[in-house]
Amino acid sequence: DIQMTQSPSSLSASVGDRVTITCRASQAIGIALAWFQQRPGKAPKSLIYSASSLQSGVPSRFSGSGSGTDFTLTISSLQPEDFGTYYCQHSNSYPPTFGQGTKVEIK
Amino acid sequence: QVHLVQSGGEVKQPGASVKVSCKTSGYSFSNYGINWVRQAPGQGLEWVGWISPFSGNTNQPLKFHGRVTMTTDTSTSTVFMELKSLTSDDTATYYCARDRDPSDWYNIDYWGQGTLVTVSS
Repeated sequence: DIQMTQSPSSLSASVGDRVTITCRASQAIGIALAWFQQRPGKAPKSLIYSASSLQSGVPSRFSGSGSGTDFTLTISSLQPEDFGTYYCQHSNSYPPTFGQGTKVEIK
Repeated sequence: QVHLVQSGGEVKQPGASVKVSCKTSGYSFSNYGINWVRQAPGQGLEWVGWISPFSGNTNQPLKFHGRVTMTTDTSTSTVFMELKSLTSDDTATYYCARDRDPSDWYNIDYWGQGTLVTVSS
């Protein structure tokens, strides 16, 4: 199975800060990488698919990049509603797997 | 508008089975695969399996082989996930989640609201 490793595990940042979360795959997955946001007690929500495509309705401050094994989710200007846990997931092959999550807190 | 609405929470005893439903609407049911993903309390996301409503074909991780059964009812656009021989480790919120594209398996766009399954004696 392909292992997905996110860093950091958690972060605390101020409103307006630029935030970067990384996700590394244990083997190359092309651009078959998605990012999800999960607020406490809620279902995950799609943010980015195919490594860099923005899900419809998601604010443009969210962006994704990368290919192969190294990927990045960037929030250009952190907003109060961006708190929660962020997960990456590969869909390159069976079985799909998720990263362990990055918890984002607002200072 | 795409919607996935899941059945309510369940409490089961160890050794029992649970069947969770996911009623879909707003798109052509047969064309898009459905994934099941679970999340134990305070933990991350774990893929449980996938079904094609078109063919009935299923995939699941080796750890669930023989314990997970996924089925569909095309007359009501509903997908079902049954998990057998429950243990306390199966206590989790179970989500159904739709494939983004008919030919792009496991690439998820829409999620159900989740169903909490509690296994306790």
